[in-house]
Amino acid sequence: AQTVTQSQPEMSVQEAETVTLSCTYDTSESDYYLFWYKQPPSRQMILVIRQEAYKQQNATENRFSVNFQKAAKSFSLKISDSQLGDAAMYFCAYRQSSLLNAGNNRKLIWGLGTSLAVNP
Amino acid sequence: DAGVTQSPTHLIKTRGQQVTLRCSPKSGHDTVSWYQQALGQGPQFIFQYYEEEERQRGNFPDRFSGHQFPNYSSELNVNALLLGDSALYLCASSTRSATEAFFGQGTRLTVV
Repeated sequence: AQTVTQSQPEMSVQEAETVTLSCTYDTSESDYYLFWYKQPPSRQMILVIRQEAYKQQNATENRFSVNFQKAAKSFSLKISDSQLGDAAMYFCAYRQSSLLNAGNNRKLIWGLGTSLAVNP
Repeated sequence: DAGVTQSPTHLIKTRGQQVTLRCSPKSGHDTVSWYQQALGQGPQFIFQYYEEEERQRGNFPDRFSGHQFPNYSSELNVNALLLGDSALYLCASSTRSATEAFFGQGTRLTVV
């Protein structure tokens, strides 16, 4: 069974600085997707960034980038130029590729989350 | 575009009662998934609906059931509520071909 581990329950960063959130996962599959979601106090899960396992290039979305190490099964999120609005819970999630199982296995498997505080 | 909408936002029920939570998917989406997020935990997959059928189910008892309507909206029903059912219930929608899912703001269920 696939698992996702986030070993940092809480992190803090100074405004405008850079912070890296860690995530490791375990799977026997070769094709899958990895995601970082942000959950602010409003509770809605917001997609931050995604990575397809078959792509070697690390995904980037503005101030957010990932370091995807497939062999090590590591998927860290780097937030540059941190802003007060980045304060939230951050969840790492795994999903099997929809090319397998005729597209039926679309469930997300989640880590426990990392609470990020941004200090002014 | 209204996005994924869930109702109600908050709910308090008594142990042993039954509850129905509702979800309207994002426009153009035909697949709905439900997740349970206990306090301080990551979400846990309950089940997924597509073409009005349950397509995949997580490790939840039969007290948890669902339905998808022809307009793709969905309901989550929980019977014989237990104190441990207190959680945030998240609905996510997507298309069959999409990689990512979009989430609603959740329903906070408290069982007393």
